[in-house]
Amino acid sequence: AQSVTQLDSHVSVSEGTPVLLRCNYSSSYSPSLFWYVQHPNKGLQLLLKYTSAATLVKGINGFEAEFKKSETSFHLTKPSAHMSDAAEYFCVVSVIGTYKYIFGTGTRLKVLA
Amino acid sequence: EAQVTQNPRYLITVTGKKLTVTCSQNMNHEYMSWYRQDPGLGLRQIYYSMNVEVTDKGDVPEGYKVSRKEKRNFPLILESPSPNQTSLYFCASRDPSGYSYNEQFFGPGTRLTVL
Repeated sequence: AQSVTQLDSHVSVSEGTPVLLRCNYSSSYSPSLFWYVQHPNKGLQLLLKYTSAATLVKGINGFEAEFKKSETSFHLTKPSAHMSDAAEYFCVVSVIGTYKYIFGTGTRLKVLA
Repeated sequence: EAQVTQNPRYLITVTGKKLTVTCSQNMNHEYMSWYRQDPGLGLRQIYYSMNVEVTDKGDVPEGYKVSRKEKRNFPLILESPSPNQTSLYFCASRDPSGYSYNEQFFGPGTRLTVL
């Protein structure tokens, strides 16, 4: 069965410092993986996706994620946090052979001035 | 502009009073889905639809109904709402070609409170 685990429910960083949001997945097959961001009182916006092409995926707003099969991880990073990055972030795995998406429980990022 | 729209955005109702949340997309997507979001649980799928007249249960379908009579619309129906259905609801659509690789597009959400 496929699943996804976000290892931190809350992360706080200072503005200008790096961001690391951790995601581990479980999959019997090569998965499709996504990161979505949800700003307060807003819908979900796609940040980036992995679809078995390049293992380092670049997304919007300076975010990127690296697919590591050996570690079953797809961590989201950004070199320098901005106040506007404060939001909730969801790691999502797409179940091969179906159209089902499995969401992680989310990581709330707080950016301190 | 490509988008998924939901109405209403906010709704307060009472136990047992039937309600419908509408969802519409203008991207000609065959696949549409409903999710509920609860604190600490992420998003959980309620129902999904592969095409017109084709729907199936997700992970938490109890207490909900859906219909797909037109490609662009996918309403969510609560026949007899209960307080445990108080939640934030999202509709999403997706181009199913490319199978699992394509991202979903989400509506802005409907915050439902059942008293």
